[in-house]
Amino acid sequence: EAEVAQSPRYKITEKSQAVAFWCDPISGHATLYWYRQILGQGPELLVQFQDESVVDDSQLPKDRFSAERLKGVDSTLKIQPAELGDSAMYLCASSSGHLTDTQYFGPGTRLTVL
Amino acid sequence: GENVEQHPSTLSVQEGDSAVIKCTYSDSASNYFPWYKQELGKRPQLIIDIRSNVGEKKDQRIAVTLNKTAKHFSLHITETQPEDSAVYFCAASEAGGGADGLTFGKGTHLIIQP
Repeated sequence: EAEVAQSPRYKITEKSQAVAFWCDPISGHATLYWYRQILGQGPELLVQFQDESVVDDSQLPKDRFSAERLKGVDSTLKIQPAELGDSAMYLCASSSGHLTDTQYFGPGTRLTVL
Repeated sequence: GENVEQHPSTLSVQEGDSAVIKCTYSDSASNYFPWYKQELGKRPQLIIDIRSNVGEKKDQRIAVTLNKTAKHFSLHITETQPEDSAVYFCAASEAGGGADGLTFGKGTHLIIQP
């Protein structure tokens, strides 16, 4: 069964450094999502792509976060500079884009900012 | 925007007993309500979902009920087993699972006592 892939699985960085996370969705999935999950809470949507276009980035802190999906396949989420409060699990999910489909999550990247 | 409240935050039940987790949502336009199970350190996995044209859905030991008038939905697990121990998240979206970002509740830590 196809799965969403993410790397790295774990990342430790110092504040003010730049970090980047990569996501490879299930093949053929047009819609890709990045969520942030703070320990003990539910995931929060950061950005949604439809193919290479951003559909919703209203919750993305654009002063330090950026996301791209240049060819409409894999995606990169970047934080620059990282802050202590950015420590969280960053989850990527994908779906076909059909209303009757669901979202499939990747294993996540656990970020620790020191 | 949508707001999803989830209760209780922790639920401890004896093995074999039933467990019920409840969620309320604020946006009457929401039409899709999935439930995800997340084991420690693993990705959220969809266990059951319901759409607004259905009041109840069942899959073996798991059932979900939806009351659109009251804007609440519940997860019911019967004959609980040790492998049911995990964190459960409810979520809601307007357009449907495959085309819209999800708004999650804060999660319920379900503990199955042997």
